[in-house]
Amino acid sequence: DGGITQSPKYLFRKEGQNVTLSCEQNLNHDAMYWYRQDPGQGLRLIYYSQIVNDFQKGDIAEGYSVSREKKESFPLTVTSAQKNPTAFYLCASSIADRARSPLHFGNGTRLTVT
Amino acid sequence: DQQVKQNSPSLSVQEGRISILNCDYTNSMFDYFLWYKKYPAEGPTFLISISSIKDKNEDGRFTVFLNKSAKHLSLHIVPSQPGDSAVYFCAASDPLSTTGANSKLTFGKGITLSVRP
Repeated sequence: DGGITQSPKYLFRKEGQNVTLSCEQNLNHDAMYWYRQDPGQGLRLIYYSQIVNDFQKGDIAEGYSVSREKKESFPLTVTSAQKNPTAFYLCASSIADRARSPLHFGNGTRLTVT
Repeated sequence: DQQVKQNSPSLSVQEGRISILNCDYTNSMFDYFLWYKKYPAEGPTFLISISSIKDKNEDGRFTVFLNKSAKHLSLHIVPSQPGDSAVYFCAASDPLSTTGANSKLTFGKGITLSVRP
């Protein structure tokens, strides 16, 4: 059964610690994305990758880092430089980064930093 | 500046009736529009899309209408069912024909639809 797996579902960290969110897909999609959702807000793009070994900054990349060493995996690291890291993080993939290639989302990771 | 606006945060509809979810946009370069549906504690799922060359696209109970001159689109659900209760996000992108349509998507804040049995 193909899909996107994000783990863990809930994550708690102390301020000042880096934390890595996992995202794995078995859909054979070339493009992958990380979004952040805050209460009452739309989804905002953090980073995206159109193909393995390449990635680009989205609208709110500051304080985040990613890697795309394998087609299936696109982990997101929330660094201590991110000023407001507490949020709901969504990973998505698509066949390609183009129209008529809808995003498939994972079920998200809720990160709480205290 | 919010380029995709879903001004009504919530909508409540009786089961069997029509649900109309509205979305306005300000960027005239947008030419590709999508609706995503999200249940609590889950990721959004793609519902329906429309390109600017059309003014209507239908998929079963779901129809999206696009009024380019008014920069307005709407999602109609007929008949509404309790399982339709979710948050609906409108999203827009440009340009339709080149790479980058997904990474250029701008999402609205979402509308919470409640369908009463």
